Amino acid sequence: GAVVSQHPSRVICKSGTSVKIECRSLDFQATTMFWYRQFPKQSLMLMATSNEGSKATYEQGVEKDKFLINHASLTLSTLTVTSAHPEDSSFYICSARDDRAGQPQHFGDGTRLSIL
Amino acid sequence: GENVEQHPSTLSVQEGDSAVIKCTYSDSASNYFPWYKQELGKRPQLIIDIRSNVGEKKDQRIAVTLNKTAKHFSLHITETQPEDSAVYFCAASKGGATNKLIFGTGTLLAVQP
Repeated sequence: GAVVSQHPSRVICKSGTSVKIECRSLDFQATTMFWYRQFPKQSLMLMATSNEGSKATYEQGVEKDKFLINHASLTLSTLTVTSAHPEDSSFYICSARDDRAGQPQHFGDGTRLSIL
Repeated sequence: GENVEQHPSTLSVQEGDSAVIKCTYSDSASNYFPWYKQELGKRPQLIIDIRSNVGEKKDQRIAVTLNKTAKHFSLHITETQPEDSAVYFCAASKGGATNKLIFGTGTLLAVQP
């Protein structure tokens, strides 16, 4: 149980392109979803927290206009990297949790984003 | 804000030996401390967690201890096996409906056969 699916697993695109990453909870309702960014050999850095039907809460230093987050339903959150540039290349991971059930966070498989 | 420090950054042990990874946290209000294992290019997987009302928790070869006074917690892996090789992250959070995890910097554990 508690499966989180993230898609796509890998994206390679040109600079200036906008990229959308989907995060789905497959067998539970995710009242809260988190988006992280992880550079090689580094820790997971929280970018934003999203609750279904509400605006996302962004961490300090994360541009909300650059990283658009939509948590439209209890099973889906999307992260859109707008006008991506090479410095946005990273491993992006989502996690989901059902706060009503007192669940820990369950992570997706991550998306490797490479901007040329 | 909360800060979580993790040591060591790399750890190499012989198969069958024990491994210990330590974390300290700064916010005394933190009350939930999970440990995640991440293999290269894969998702972090929760391996064990502990809440602040407990001092120790064990699950087969894995145990976690918590010292609230000193604000540190440790992961103990006994009888290590090559498949234990991975990056391990500790984390801390304050609890509540929208609590967020603050992760440590990670420990690369290598178990030599």
